[in-house]
Parts: sequence; C-alpha cells; structure tokens
Amino acid sequence: VQLLESGGGLVQTGGSLRLSCAASGFTFSSYIMSWVRQAPGKGLEWVSSIIASGGSPYYADSVKGRFTISRDNSKNTLYLQMNSLGAEDTAVYYCAKTSTFDMWGQGTMVTVSS
Amino acid sequence: DVVMTQSPLSLPVTLGQPASISCRSSQSLVYSDGNIYLNWFQQRPGLSPRRLIYKVSNRDSGVPDRFSGSGSGTDFTLKISRVEAEDVGVYYCMQGTHWPRTFGQGTKVEIK
Repeated sequence: VQLLESGGGLVQTGGSLRLSCAASGFTFSSYIMSWVRQAPGKGLEWVSSIIASGGSPYYADSVKGRFTISRDNSKNTLYLQMNSLGAEDTAVYYCAKTSTFDMWGQGTMVTVSS
Repeated sequence: DVVMTQSPLSLPVTLGQPASISCRSSQSLVYSDGNIYLNWFQQRPGLSPRRLIYKVSNRDSGVPDRFSGSGSGTDFTLKISRVEAEDVGVYYCMQGTHWPRTFGQGTKVEIK
C-alpha cells in the first residue's frame, strides 16, 4: 500500500494550489479517503474526507468554502483544491486511507506567504 | 465538536520501563453500530504518523505487542509495557466516531 502526495509548494496569500495523492496497492475505489494537515511544530488536524463513490464530502470548518476534495477512481488519485489560502494553511498535508487513517502518505509541504 | 484531551503532554521515560498516556473525550464515542472508534497514532521524529491502535484495543499489523490500548465510555489509555528507544516520538489519540474527526494535542515521549 502506498500513498504519494504531490503539488505542494510556496504560494502567495489569497492564492490557490491543487494537491494530488496517487494511491497504489489497494482497491482505491472501495475506500473513504482523507486529508490531514500538520502546521510546523503543531499537532494533527483533519481537513477533509470523501466517500468511495466521490460524493458526500466532509470538511473541517476551518477550510469549508475554500477547499474542495475530489477523487478520480479511474486514476486511483485523490485531490485537494485549495483556494483563498492564508498563512494559517501553511502545513504539511497528508493523504490518508479511510476516515480513521490506517495508512498515510509522506506528506507535501504547503507554504503560504505574503 | 468532540474535544480529545490527552495527558500528560510530555512523558520522559526510562528505557525498559512502562509508559501510559491518557485520552479523554468530551462525549461518548460509541457509534450507532456499537463500536468505539478510538484510535492511537505514533509519529516518530521527521516521519509521517502511523496508526498503532484502532477501535480502542486492536493493534494494527506490524505493531509490537508491547503497545496496548484500553478504555471505555470517554476514558482511554495507551500503554507501552517496556519502552524502547524506537518508541520516541509524539502519540496522538483520535476519535473516528463523529464528524469532524478530532485529535488530541499529542503526548511527546522521550527517553530520560
């Protein structure tokens, strides 16, 4: 089982970024998938989850209306579209399998700076 | 939101000695299916988190049996029977019963 995130980087305040998570080693289309983030030196914060079929997304209040989770089961890939980014969104973003996070990727760093 | 409160936040331990971390939830974690979705994660320095325990007391594959989880209702405990050097890191509890998913603040385990 492997989860490989990409798409992180440096972005200006108010900007956008799209993260991707390529999954392998399991039947991606059968599982809820999630994003969890960790600000520098801080704890873990759940961001968003999406059910296997791609419907019924869940969002943390801190990102609702700004972030959009989606998935392409034909490509075994999970996405996180992040808009209106602020300094508080600076973090390592992890892709995780299921909504109880039984497997994690290596993370991708997002830095929001003015 | 369900608040998860861990204690202690820092835990210096002697190699070979036991360690215990407490986690308390602000409300019941019993799901409609009767299960309690309380999980424990380990994050070693510089690495991604790793799930150790799911549904209170079930060890994930490859997790040494010196790790055990217990609890019920709103009080849960992670125990390490004999701490080894590789156990250094931060441990988090997390509830998977309610949305939004919430984590405890983390407990930093270090060797004395």
